[in-house]
Amino acid sequence: AQTVTQSQPEMSVQEAETVTLSCTYDTSESDYYLFWYKQPPSRQMILVIRQEAYKQQNATENRFSVNFQKAAKSFSLKISDSQLGDAAMYFCAYSRPRASGTYKYIFGTGTRLKVLA
Amino acid sequence: NAGVTQTPKFQVLKTGQSMTLQCAQDMNHEYMSWYRQDPGMGLRLIHYSVGAGITDQGEVPNGYNVSRSTTEDFPLRLLSAAPSQTSVYFCASSYLSAGLETQYFGPGTRLLVL
Repeated sequence: AQTVTQSQPEMSVQEAETVTLSCTYDTSESDYYLFWYKQPPSRQMILVIRQEAYKQQNATENRFSVNFQKAAKSFSLKISDSQLGDAAMYFCAYSRPRASGTYKYIFGTGTRLKVLA
Repeated sequence: NAGVTQTPKFQVLKTGQSMTLQCAQDMNHEYMSWYRQDPGMGLRLIHYSVGAGITDQGEVPNGYNVSRSTTEDFPLRLLSAAPSQTSVYFCASSYLSAGLETQYFGPGTRLLVL
């Protein structure tokens, strides 16, 4: 069975500094996708970044980038130039295709990021 | 577009009561899902639907029923609420494009069962 592990329940970063959130996963599948979602206090789940497993190049979205190590089954999120608005719970998620055509998602337990002014 | 909407935002129930959590999307997405979020745990899939009239169980389906009579609506029913169903419930809709699914979440419903 697939699993997603986030070993850091909480992280802190100084404003304007860089922070890396860790995520590891376990799967025997070759076709899958990985995501980072942000959940601010409003509880809205917001997609931050996604990575297709077949792509070797790490995904980047503005200040957010990932370090995807497929052999190590590691998918970390780097936030550069941290801003107060980045404070939130961050969830790592894995998805793979189902026979029905949609995708099965598995979420990690989350990392709470605090940004210090 | 309103995206994915959920009602109510917050609900208190007594053990044994029934209720329906509403979810609607106006993006014409085929796929819809219900998740629950509990402290210290990630989102867990309750039920999902791949189109009108088609539903299937997720990871934690016991105690919940769903139906999908239209593309837009995907209500979640609790037939006899239990304290273990105290949680935050998220509805999501998604579509496939170039083999990649993009999932959109609603704002969540916080449910407290006493």
